[in-house]
Amino acid sequence: DGGITQSPKYLFRKEGQNVTLSCEQNLNHDAMYWYRQDPGQGLRLIYYSQIVNDFQKGDIAEGYSVSREKKESFPLTVTSAQKNPTAFYLCASNPLLAGNTIYFGEGSWLTVV
Amino acid sequence: QKEVEQDPGPLSVPEGAIVSLNCTYSNSAFQYFMWYRQYSRKGPELLMYTYSSGNKEDGRFTAQVDKSSKYISLFIRDSQPSDSATYLCAMSAGNFNKFYFGSGTKLNVKP
Repeated sequence: DGGITQSPKYLFRKEGQNVTLSCEQNLNHDAMYWYRQDPGQGLRLIYYSQIVNDFQKGDIAEGYSVSREKKESFPLTVTSAQKNPTAFYLCASNPLLAGNTIYFGEGSWLTVV
Repeated sequence: QKEVEQDPGPLSVPEGAIVSLNCTYSNSAFQYFMWYRQYSRKGPELLMYTYSSGNKEDGRFTAQVDKSSKYISLFIRDSQPSDSATYLCAMSAGNFNKFYFGSGTKLNVKP
């Protein structure tokens, strides 16, 4: 079944700890993205990657890091430097040559206490 | 001014009603237009994808794009309680790294 798999679905962490959110896609899409969704603020772009071993900062990259070692994988690390990490995180991918739209995973809820 | 404006609702309608959801935008370079449905605590699901102007129909859903007015719409016919969700519009000028999202309209279809 093709799609974007995010894990874990729910994650609780103590303040000051780094946490990594997993994103895997089997759609053979070239571009991948991480968005953050907060109530009343819509979707904000954290990082994006068009190709393996290359990624770019989005609008709110501070306190986050990513890697793109494989085409199908784009993990996001929320570091202790992120001031307000509690949020709903969405991974997405884009086929690029087959159209310019993005498809989302089911999301990961991160709560920092 | 935001690039994309969308009324947050909530919009409450009886089952069977025709629902109209709308977004306005300011950037005339937008060519790709999308509608997503997002259930509570889930990721957005792509409903409709339209390139440039015109209408596109898929089952009970119709997407309309009016580039001259910078206005897009999603119509839902014979609405069902299962359509209750938040609907997000999104658009792009073609740059793969730049998608602009509305803040979402919450729809409630009452049985």
